[in-house]
Amino acid sequence: SQQGEEDPQALSIQEGENATMNCSYKTSINNLQWYRQNSGRGLVHLILIRSNEREKHSGRLRVTLDTSKKSSSLLITASRAADTASYFCATPPIQGAQKLVFGQGTRLTINP
Amino acid sequence: EPEVTQTPSHQVTQMGQEVILRCVPISNHLYFYWYRQILGQKVEFLVSFYNNEISEKSEIFDDQFSVERPDGSNFTLKIRSTKLEDSAMYFCASSVLAGLTDTQYFGPGTRLTVL
Repeated sequence: SQQGEEDPQALSIQEGENATMNCSYKTSINNLQWYRQNSGRGLVHLILIRSNEREKHSGRLRVTLDTSKKSSSLLITASRAADTASYFCATPPIQGAQKLVFGQGTRLTINP
Repeated sequence: EPEVTQTPSHQVTQMGQEVILRCVPISNHLYFYWYRQILGQKVEFLVSFYNNEISEKSEIFDDQFSVERPDGSNFTLKIRSTKLEDSAMYFCASSVLAGLTDTQYFGPGTRLTVL
């Protein structure tokens, strides 16, 4: 898989349920970032988790990082219709690189 | 809360014309970036800029592209002779510190349509 690939590609759940999205990457990282993109709009930064952190919370968001498996997950609890968006993880292609490399993202649909 | 702004929100141009996309990064940020997203595809890195020079660029960022920080607040992306395949959403981003050591904040994007 490519650097920063999200899984699943699409997820559809009922409002109030929890949504979990996963990200896998290939190289050693300093940190990993999660972003949200509403259809046709800009990228909104959600959470940055550093390589020495295993879990981080922000409101209804919970991010985990497992550097031994080179994977991260984003959990959205008690989902709302407004959470409908695409979610991306972003990592560097090599350690120390400045650029972010995005995957195709997970398209999350919250059904009312 | 400070945010990255971009103008215009939508630009339509004829093939072969020059376009300049403008960005105002967050005021205390030192690193600036341009990314693009072709409709239905991934967000792709174009270029990063620090201390008035390009610090990293991708294969996409060829001689048709240039960046400039003409004053203390604006950061511009110029495409000299647009092609149909340049049609995309262009995002500017900025960060206090370099790349993945710090959060990159993105603007709302400029949708470029080349006819």
